[in-house]
Amino acid sequence: GENVEQHPSTLSVQEGDSAVIKCTYSDSASNYFPWYKQELGKGPQLIIDIRSNVGEKKDQRIAVTLNKTAKHFSLHITETQPEDSAVYFCASIGNQGGKLIFGQGTELSVKP
Amino acid sequence: DADVTQTPRNRITKTGKRIMLECSQTKGHDRMYWYRQDPGLGLRLIYYSFDVKDINKGEISDGYSVSRQAQAKFSLSLESAIPNQTALYFCATSGMGSTGELFFGEGSRLTVL
Repeated sequence: GENVEQHPSTLSVQEGDSAVIKCTYSDSASNYFPWYKQELGKGPQLIIDIRSNVGEKKDQRIAVTLNKTAKHFSLHITETQPEDSAVYFCASIGNQGGKLIFGQGTELSVKP
Repeated sequence: DADVTQTPRNRITKTGKRIMLECSQTKGHDRMYWYRQDPGLGLRLIYYSFDVKDINKGEISDGYSVSRQAQAKFSLSLESAIPNQTALYFCATSGMGSTGELFFGEGSRLTVL
């Protein structure tokens, strides 16, 4: 079945630096790739997504890139701030009837 | 009030006990899901329901059962809890379409001793 691998599992950066989280997926039919942010004590929330017909999407300080040939996609956060500290999950929908498959999560820590 | 409400938020129980986690939503969505979160394993799908008469197994359904009592209510049961079911459980909803955004509840932390 569909599998999503996410790296790294933990990431620590200094405030103002950039952070990059990478995911690979196994199902070549996957066509939708969202990223969720989970703050402490809360449920995950969608922050950005990308569909298979585009290679990059930006929203202020966050961007997502997609390489369909290599079957990987990445989240880029620029000018990180302490409030970016959270667990981030990538996900994909493959040929499985509309169910999101999540990666293992990345705990991002932004140090002031 | 939260759009997706889970009860209880925290529960400690003993091996062999029956546990029910409840989820209700006010978003009017047809699709509801139960996920389990474990450190290093991400979010894994337990069961999902695309409408009131539809129930489907996810990746890790063994040891769990669900009930979709109404469009707004979706319950997860552990018939005989075991320690490796200790985890954080999330209910989520989404609208129609395979790429609909998931809206999560705040989670139910279950500890099985």
